[in-house]
Amino acid sequence: AQSVTQPDIHITVSEGASLELRCNYSYGATPYLFWYVQSPGQGLQLLLKYFSGDTLVQGIKGFEAEFKRSQSSFNLRKPSVHWSDAAEYFCAVGSYSGGGADGLTFGKGTHLIIQP
Amino acid sequence: GAVVSQHPSRVICKSGTSVKIECRSLDFQATTMFWYRQFPKQSLMLMATSNEGSKATYEQGVEKDKFLINHASLTLSTLTVTSAHPEDSSFYICSARDLAPRVDGQYFGPGTRLTVT
Repeated sequence: AQSVTQPDIHITVSEGASLELRCNYSYGATPYLFWYVQSPGQGLQLLLKYFSGDTLVQGIKGFEAEFKRSQSSFNLRKPSVHWSDAAEYFCAVGSYSGGGADGLTFGKGTHLIIQP
Repeated sequence: GAVVSQHPSRVICKSGTSVKIECRSLDFQATTMFWYRQFPKQSLMLMATSNEGSKATYEQGVEKDKFLINHASLTLSTLTVTSAHPEDSSFYICSARDLAPRVDGQYFGPGTRLTVT
């Protein structure tokens, strides 16, 4: 069975500092990996995804993530955070079946707090 | 593009009644939609996969007779929580997969907050 672990429940970062959110996955085949952000009262917004190709993927809002198969990791990074980045971040894994991703398995999320 | 809506955004119902939640893809066609449930400050759990014109596939542990899913068209899927109880109170989120083949994952709706009193 597939699973996703986000080891950090909360992370506090100063505005302007760099950020790395950790994600480890367990999956039997080539994983289809995602990072989503959820702000209070908002739906999930896709930040970036990885299926194949370059293991360093660029997303929206200045985020990037690196797929490391040997470590079963897909960590999310941002060089300089803004106060508006405060939100809940979810890593997810799924399988790909031709038309797109099947139902996703989500991690428990990391709550990002930005200090002024 | 790729907008998914849910209606209602919030609903309060009494124990024992049924509630229907709609999920619509507004600017694309979706043969497949997914229903998730999110408890407060927890992750999303996949409940079922809804395929247009066929029966939904439920995840292990999800009661299919309690959570009725209908996907009658390429733009609409509904989730009906039957005989709701307080433990069914949760945030229900749908997502839709674009019919056009592309590696874009799923587009999520804004969610429906269900409170059963």
